[in-house]
Amino acid sequence: GAGVSQSPRYKVAKRGQDVALRCDPISGHVSLFWYQQALGQGPEFLTYFQNEAQLDKSGLPSDRFFAERPEGSVSTLKIQRTQQEDSAVYLCASSPRGGAQANEQFFGPGTRLTVL
Amino acid sequence: AQSVTQPDIHITVSEGASLELRCNYSYGATPYLFWYVQSPGQGLQLLLKYFSGDTLVQGIKGFEAEFKRSQSSFNLRKPSVHWSDAAEYFCAVGSSGAGSYQLTFGKGTKLSVIP
Repeated sequence: GAGVSQSPRYKVAKRGQDVALRCDPISGHVSLFWYQQALGQGPEFLTYFQNEAQLDKSGLPSDRFFAERPEGSVSTLKIQRTQQEDSAVYLCASSPRGGAQANEQFFGPGTRLTVL
Repeated sequence: AQSVTQPDIHITVSEGASLELRCNYSYGATPYLFWYVQSPGQGLQLLLKYFSGDTLVQGIKGFEAEFKRSQSSFNLRKPSVHWSDAAEYFCAVGSSGAGSYQLTFGKGTKLSVIP
C-alpha cells in the first residue's frame, strides 16, 4: 500500500491480558516511531527505531511496554498485563530518512486499544 | 525540553470565514515545526512544515503558517474555511539537533465549521 498501515484497528482486552499491535511502515522508510494518544490529548512519543535499531525508548511508560523491529521493516508494540490506563490510540509513523530529517513523519490510522 | 502550547481547545467559525489557529513552542535552537490535521477515527495528515528559509510556508488544502521566532509562534491560517475543514489540528515541534527525533505535540485545537 501507499501509506502506513496498522493492525488491528480496534482491540479490546481484559485487564491483565497481553496485546500485540502491528505497524507496516511505508516501504523503504528508515525511521519508525510509536506514539500514544490518550482521549482528548495530542500524541506522545513512545519509541524510535532507525532500521532495526531501537535508538530511543525513553517514552515507554513502564517495563510492560516492549517494541521491536527485527528486520528493519514491520514493527510490533507489545503491552504485557494491560491496565485500564493503557487505553488509548497507538499511532505508528515512519520517515524515509534517519537523523534530524526523520522529523518528517507519515502516520498510520492508529490502533484504538480499550482495556476493560 | 521542547514543548508546544495550543491555547485554543475549541474554535467555531462560519463557512467562508477566515481562520487562525495559534501555536507557541519552546525549544532552545531553531525548531522544526509542523501542523497536522486529524479527522475522527483517522491518523494524522501533514498539512505543512517549516525547517528553515522562508518563514511563510504554504501547505495543502489552502493552509499556510508563519514562523515568528521573536514570538516563538507558528500560527496556522486559512483565508476561507470549508465545511470539510472541520477536524482536530495539532501543532508539533521536532528537534534539529542530534539525538532523539521525536515530535512533541500540542494538545490540539478542535475546529467546528458552521454551514
